[in-house]
Amino acid sequence: QQQVKQSPQSLIVQKGGISIINCAYENTAFDYFPWYQQFPGKGPALLIAIRPDVSEKKEGRFTISFNKSAKQFSLHIMDSQPGDSATYFCAARLIQGAQKLVFGQGTRLTINP
Amino acid sequence: KAGVTQTPRYLIKTRGQQVTLSCSPISGHRSVSWYQQTPGQGLQFLFEYFSETQRNKGNFPGRFSGRQFSNSRSEMNVSTLELGDSALYLCASSPTPYEQYFGPGTRLTVT
Repeated sequence: QQQVKQSPQSLIVQKGGISIINCAYENTAFDYFPWYQQFPGKGPALLIAIRPDVSEKKEGRFTISFNKSAKQFSLHIMDSQPGDSATYFCAARLIQGAQKLVFGQGTRLTINP
Repeated sequence: KAGVTQTPRYLIKTRGQQVTLSCSPISGHRSVSWYQQTPGQGLQFLFEYFSETQRNKGNFPGRFSGRQFSNSRSEMNVSTLELGDSALYLCASSPTPYEQYFGPGTRLTVT
């Protein structure tokens, strides 16, 4: 019930293309959905986040689409660049007044030049 | 502002030993959370501290413990190390109930 399922596990996109990563959840007690980007040897970096009362949020080339009824959300990376090659994690926060993120399993994204 | 700092960055320990990892949050952040990252299990929540009190705990055995000091710095301790404890241990600090900013992690290898 507290799982967040992420797909695909790996993704290869050509430079300039659109990268799309999907996540699904079951627990309606999640109230905040961030995406993190992680490069090898580094900690995850907060990329963009959304709350369930909003259906879409855009920051630069990164967009989150959120479908509350389907319990799904996705990350779109427009005009993908080789520098975007990294592992991406979706996550969800439980409504408990405390910080506890439940993470998806991650997607290894490779952007071919 | 300086980011979250974690020390040491790398650690090699022997099975049965104990280890203490340290985390200094971003200045002004009072919440500190710890996560374990492994290739098999991914990122898993260990515990969270706020104002020196543990607010939430993940599903880890009692060998994993932590504490937070009055300056918000935090430590986590793992006793009686097992091979399966080899992982990247990540600390995250938060200024609000939502965003979490991660440090670079401590890579623990248990032999």
